[in-house]
Amino acid sequence: ETGVTQTPRHLVMGMTNKKSLKCEQHLGHNAMYWYKQSAKKPLELMFVYSLEERVENNSVPSRFSPECPNSSHLFLHLHTLQPEDSALYLCASSQDQGLSGANVLTFGAGSRLTVL
Amino acid sequence: GQNIDQPTEMTATEGAIVQINCTYQTSGFNGLFWYQQHAGEAPTFLSYNVLDGLEEKGRFSSFLSRSKGYSYLLLKELQMKDSASYLCAVRDRNTDKLIFGTGTRLQVFP
Repeated sequence: ETGVTQTPRHLVMGMTNKKSLKCEQHLGHNAMYWYKQSAKKPLELMFVYSLEERVENNSVPSRFSPECPNSSHLFLHLHTLQPEDSALYLCASSQDQGLSGANVLTFGAGSRLTVL
Repeated sequence: GQNIDQPTEMTATEGAIVQINCTYQTSGFNGLFWYQQHAGEAPTFLSYNVLDGLEEKGRFSSFLSRSKGYSYLLLKELQMKDSASYLCAVRDRNTDKLIFGTGTRLQVFP
């Protein structure tokens, strides 16, 4: 496989469930990201990892817990979510986490989450 | 503050030309990106502008004017497969963050 792969593509969960989203990149990139995409809203950056170290937590509630065990894998653990957390969660990677113009994000297709 | 504006929806006819505008306000500009996102798919990179002027890449071109805080994406010889959302994003030099607009949903009709 190439690019950025996200699983599951669709997830329905109750507010008391615990689930995880998985992201894997096959590009040899050093930085990985979680974004939230809600209808009619801009993409919101949630977390940034660079070389497996979290470098950004964008005021995300603790019911979202990221994990980056190595530079190719990123998880988003979900616990006691709210209905307003229903959204498309996009994973992305880039060569590095920095200001270089060549530092283009490559996105996965996303995990569509519905919280009942 | 930081703000990006782009039209919510646009329609066009197959074979025509369409221009999608994006205006932005940021404290420290360090590049503007356009991404294409088909429904249910990943956003994919289209173009990057950091200097003023026009960047052409096949049927797609992107223009930037830093003094006006303005960019546009020009799509020529429209095809049905160009129906998608087009996301404008600006990199802020001070925060090193990529700020996205809400996206423009383009529908191409036969």
